[in-house]
Amino acid sequence: ETGVTQTPRHLVMGMTNKKSLKCEQHLGHNAMYWYKQSAKKPLELMFVYNFKEQTENNSVPSRFSPECPNSSHLFLHLHTLQPEDSALYLCASRRRGSGFEAGELFFGEGSRLTVL
Amino acid sequence: KNEVEQSPQNLTAQEGEFITINCSYSVGISALHWLQQHPGGGIVSLFMLSSGKKKHGRLIATINIQEKHSSLHITASHPRDSAVYICAVPTAGNQFYFGTGTSLTVIP
Repeated sequence: ETGVTQTPRHLVMGMTNKKSLKCEQHLGHNAMYWYKQSAKKPLELMFVYNFKEQTENNSVPSRFSPECPNSSHLFLHLHTLQPEDSALYLCASRRRGSGFEAGELFFGEGSRLTVL
Repeated sequence: KNEVEQSPQNLTAQEGEFITINCSYSVGISALHWLQQHPGGGIVSLFMLSSGKKKHGRLIATINIQEKHSSLHITASHPRDSAVYICAVPTAGNQFYFGTGTSLTVIP
């Protein structure tokens, strides 16, 4: 148990569906991240939020839409996805800061997405 | 070229063996992270270090800042150590460069 909770753990959706992934942490962290993990590839950063402000959008297609209503919750809204979007989506959080001061990354268990 | 390179990519060991996983990086860093990912997906932070050596149980992490190299050692390996081990270094912008991971299988 890392203190970062993701739901759902598994999601199967068609290309025309709309769904959302949810991430929640009550660790007092104020930096939150969405990562995509595809087979045999390094973790790919999608979005970073600091204090609810999006500070990075790593050229992610608009069919992925993040939302951060407060520093404890992060959503990833999905619509009209493609089969190549099937992957493990991981949420992480960390104290805001630089280098060693920011501390360790805490990850959720991930949401395994399959797009049919 | 990835800013963080790990070796080996895959590793199979007999239970009880001493294991070493290597990480080399090309950027300046303030800290390096070792992460563990079990089948099923969840990632756990094992170590964050900026110099020298750290030890947690059977796990030891070392770093040589001058050579831009870190190693993760597992002593007396056990099947429950089977996982993917990932090296990560933070950027100035509070993001991370990740290695592709080392997949470890420990056979009983």
